[in-house]
Amino acid sequence: AQTVTQSQPEMSVQEAETVTLSCTYDTSESNYYLFWYKQPPSRQMILVIRQEAYKQQNATENRFSVNFQKAAKSFSLKISDSQLGDTAMYFCAFMKHAGQFYFGTGTSLTVIP
Amino acid sequence: DAGVIQSPRHEVTEMGQEVTLRCKPISGHDYLFWYRQTMMRGLELLIYFNNNVPIDDSGMPEDRFSAKMPNASFSTLKIQPSEPRDSAVYFCASSEHTGSTEAFFGQGTRLTVV
Repeated sequence: AQTVTQSQPEMSVQEAETVTLSCTYDTSESNYYLFWYKQPPSRQMILVIRQEAYKQQNATENRFSVNFQKAAKSFSLKISDSQLGDTAMYFCAFMKHAGQFYFGTGTSLTVIP
Repeated sequence: DAGVIQSPRHEVTEMGQEVTLRCKPISGHDYLFWYRQTMMRGLELLIYFNNNVPIDDSGMPEDRFSAKMPNASFSTLKIQPSEPRDSAVYFCASSEHTGSTEAFFGQGTRLTVV
């Protein structure tokens, strides 16, 4: 079975600063996908960034980047130049097959003006 | 496409009543998933369908829960009878095909059982 662990229930960051959210996972699979989803108060699950396990290069999407360490089973999210709109719950997720996610418990991020 | 559409957005019901949640996936998507989100357990996969056929319902908590997908554009999740501990946000998501690396979520239904 797959497990995803987010050890930071809450975090805060000053606007324009950088913050890193941690995620570790456990799996015996060799090929899989990892995701970070954002859930604002509206409840909508919004895909932030995606990483294929077979790719060594870390994924980046504008201000969002990941540090993927496959051997260590670590998948952290770095948010640069934090904006007020980044305030949300962030979920790390593991996926082996299409749509079958295993989610972490989430990190509540607050961006302070 | 309007995305995955769930209804209702909010549902308040009394314990013991039947409640039905509805989902319309994105047109052309072969997979449909039902997730439940609670404070205690986070997001959990309840059941998923492939081409309208239930594939894995091992996440369904009890026999009180049932899900159907009568056609490619509609699915329901039913709880009968409902209990206060069923209070949660229920998400529906759809994915295009087996090789898809993304799923699209609806906005969820917040269920409150009093």
